[in-house]
Amino acid sequence: GAVVSQHPSWVICKSGTSVKIECRSLDFQATTMFWYRQFPKQSLMLMATSNEGSKATYEQGVEKDKFLINHASLTLSTLTVTSAHPEDSSFYICSATGGSSNQPQHFGDGTRLSIL
Amino acid sequence: GQQVMQIPQYQHVQEGEDFTTYCNSSTTLSNIQWYKQRPGGHPVFLIQLVKSGEVKKQKRLTFQFGEAKKNSSLHITATQTTDVGTYFCEGGATNKLIFGTGTLLAVQP
Repeated sequence: GAVVSQHPSWVICKSGTSVKIECRSLDFQATTMFWYRQFPKQSLMLMATSNEGSKATYEQGVEKDKFLINHASLTLSTLTVTSAHPEDSSFYICSATGGSSNQPQHFGDGTRLSIL
Repeated sequence: GQQVMQIPQYQHVQEGEDFTTYCNSSTTLSNIQWYKQRPGGHPVFLIQLVKSGEVKKQKRLTFQFGEAKKNSSLHITATQTTDVGTYFCEGGATNKLIFGTGTLLAVQP
């Protein structure tokens, strides 16, 4: 149980392109979804917290207009990196919980984004 | 702001040796979770600790939550090559979730 699917797993695109990443909870309803960014050999940096049907809460320093998050249903959240540039290249991971923020997180496989 | 530090950052052991990673928070935590991330993979949930002084075991892994709920440890007995990866703690406090800096474990056969 508690499977989270993230798609795509790998993206390579030109600078200026917008990229959408999907995160789906396959066998449970995800009340809350989280989006992280991870640089090589570093910890996970929380970008934003997304609750179904409401606006995402962004962490300090994360541009809302750059990283658009939509959580339209209890099983799907999307992260769109708008007008991506090489500095946006990173490993993006989503996670989901089925209840309160005290519940363990279940992670997707992550998306490796490379902007040329 | 709240910080969650882990030590050591990196540990290299011979297969069969024990390993411990420590997690320290600057603030009191309501609970703590441990995750394992294999190279190239995503974090996988291992365990959650909620009570002060709680100790939980999973086969060769022992998890402990400090009495003050500001620190935690993960101990692996007789490491195996399958234990390779980065171990993260993640602390919950006032709806704020912060991952520790992680400890990378390398196990030499």
